Amino acid sequence: DVKVTQSSRYLVKRTGEKVFLECVQDMDHENMFWYRQDPGLGLRLIYFSYDVKMKEKGDIPEGYSVSREKKERFSLILESASTNQTSMYLCASSFVGLESSYEQYFGPGTRLTVT
Amino acid sequence: DAKTTQPPSMDCAEGRAANLPCNHSTISGNEYVYWYRQIHSQGPQYIIHGLKNNETNEMASLIITEDRKSSTLILPHATLRDTAVYYCMNSGGSNYKLTFGKGTLLTVNP
Repeated sequence: DVKVTQSSRYLVKRTGEKVFLECVQDMDHENMFWYRQDPGLGLRLIYFSYDVKMKEKGDIPEGYSVSREKKERFSLILESASTNQTSMYLCASSFVGLESSYEQYFGPGTRLTVT
Repeated sequence: DAKTTQPPSMDCAEGRAANLPCNHSTISGNEYVYWYRQIHSQGPQYIIHGLKNNETNEMASLIITEDRKSSTLILPHATLRDTAVYYCMNSGGSNYKLTFGKGTLLTVNP
């Protein structure tokens, strides 16, 4: 079975703190994604990576950065956390390819609260 | 924006087949149809996808109409653990992003 793990299930941080969210997958997937999910706004893509050290901005990259130093690990960084970044953060991975890229496997999510 | 429409909710009796419809009338010829579900407070879970032929895996079956404007996800023997929001979507989003609509809340009743 594909396994995608995220470093924390719940996280509480203060405004202005630097926050690291880690994601690890064990299926040798090339693609990795970071989304956030908010009520009424659905799933929104923050960043996408298709290879080590490669990244593409999604729809809402402002206030976030990412790091992919190893194939299995994709980190999301909130440079200076703000209350509007309180959300559920979801990591996903997939193989490359027009068909495979949409067959994404998700981690359990990190519910981040910024106070 | 989502390019699919689904009923907001459906009920199903445990052990019965659950048939979830989806309209995707603007689907392009090379776009696939994907189904995901999300159980409360968990990440989305991939179920199945198809292009034009019917597909079956260990979780579900997917029936796509000949004109490809609609599809039906079939859970052959629904269990209480199948209670979730089910989303259908087309491929084709930039950066392979998943774009879900409002989905269908399937409630499986004992």
